[in-house]
Amino acid sequence: GAGVSQSPRYKVAKRGQDVALRCDPISGHVSLFWYQQALGQGPEFLTYFQNEAQLDKSGLPSDRFFAERPEGSVSTLKIQRTQQEDSAVYLCASSTRRGMDYGYTFGSGTRLTVV
Amino acid sequence: QQQVKQSPQSLIVQKGGISIINCAYENTAFDYFPWYQQFPGKGPALLIAIRPDVSEKKEGRFTISFNKSAKQFSLHIMDSQPGDSATYFCAASPHMDSNYQLIWGAGTKLIIKP
Repeated sequence: GAGVSQSPRYKVAKRGQDVALRCDPISGHVSLFWYQQALGQGPEFLTYFQNEAQLDKSGLPSDRFFAERPEGSVSTLKIQRTQQEDSAVYLCASSTRRGMDYGYTFGSGTRLTVV
Repeated sequence: QQQVKQSPQSLIVQKGGISIINCAYENTAFDYFPWYQQFPGKGPALLIAIRPDVSEKKEGRFTISFNKSAKQFSLHIMDSQPGDSATYFCAASPHMDSNYQLIWGAGTKLIIKP
């Protein structure tokens, strides 16, 4: 496809359950970012990949959050033992160049609700 | 120092009017200032961006005004249309290879009344 694809679009998880969120970036995009967007707020940075290398994971809120991009294309954000405060929209973005100079292309996000 | 403060939180403008959204920042290392537009159920989309070497950038009906000394920048939407109704986010980042994180404002929900 032409855009960044995220799946699932919606996920309801019971507290304590593990979840995996998938991001298919635009083909050939080197940089991939994960952001967390709470209701009514701007996105907050979680982690950044350049190809398969995770160059920055400083935004991951706890060690329950883990992201990978093993072949430098598809990325997965995994949240273990989900908590209610993890409820948010998780946005993936990719960029053709290193960094954000040319703007990110965002996916539509995965809305995670922890009950 | 990492914050970007955005106002107003919500804005209602008549069709054909000018919509103005303001942002302020503290970190003098910031030198990339994009605006994103987000429709419900969609991810943000880059609208327009500016670097502080210019005071204004215009693309169609959208203009960024930048005041480096005041550490403020604003988005002006001329001839606002109902299709412009969306949430707008300002953001900022240092332009260094090792620092690519965008720091986002809290967003402005814009409603254009027909």
